[in-house]
Amino acid sequence: DTGVSQDPRHKITKRGQNVTFRCDPISEHNRLYWYRQTLGQGPEFLTYFQNEAQLEKSRLLSDRFSAERPKGSFSTLEIQRTEQGDSAMYLCASSASTGGRNYGYTFGSGTRLTVV
Amino acid sequence: DAKTTQPPSMDCAEGRAANLPCNHSTISGNEYVYWYRQIHSQGPQYIIHGLKNNETNEMASLIITEDRKSSTLILPHATLRDTAVYYCIVSSLGANSKLTFGKGITLSVRP
Repeated sequence: DTGVSQDPRHKITKRGQNVTFRCDPISEHNRLYWYRQTLGQGPEFLTYFQNEAQLEKSRLLSDRFSAERPKGSFSTLEIQRTEQGDSAMYLCASSASTGGRNYGYTFGSGTRLTVV
Repeated sequence: DAKTTQPPSMDCAEGRAANLPCNHSTISGNEYVYWYRQIHSQGPQYIIHGLKNNETNEMASLIITEDRKSSTLILPHATLRDTAVYYCIVSSLGANSKLTFGKGITLSVRP
């Protein structure tokens, strides 16, 4: 296991198109997080999963955004009808949560989205 | 989760120690201090975390004041590859906790 993998690394899309990103977490991690990062800012939390259940969604996650983690393994983040303001780095992280405690996050390298 | 305050930037000479400060005056008793760094165009990388005792690993040392209201990350011998944004985050290890990032501090290591 080489860590958290994200695909693609870069995506350029035209405004109005749909895009989907994939994240493969560390296999033994039951938690998976999505963050968004714009230039000059720290990562902003979008949503997280415990196994296949989506437990929390940020207000940043508009109706155009949907995330899934169908079998508690990989996750996808889809953005419908992309807007220029969606241009950002989308980061995925995973962590182990056992016994009511949550341990350190491992981040992937991110998917950089550019909407033109 | 408690908020943290970091200066926006600092620099240090290669080979010297880099001391990165962080204030977290509203930290709760069950909250840990985490440090992550982000090198350009990569995801954040975990460095170290601690509760109240000083911690050291192969990357850095973390010094937490006795009142836990501030901490310092120490990179003992900074290299050019340590140039990055460093984030100080306070979070519990509770089941519903998540990491909330600020803007961090940009460390520039000069030759």
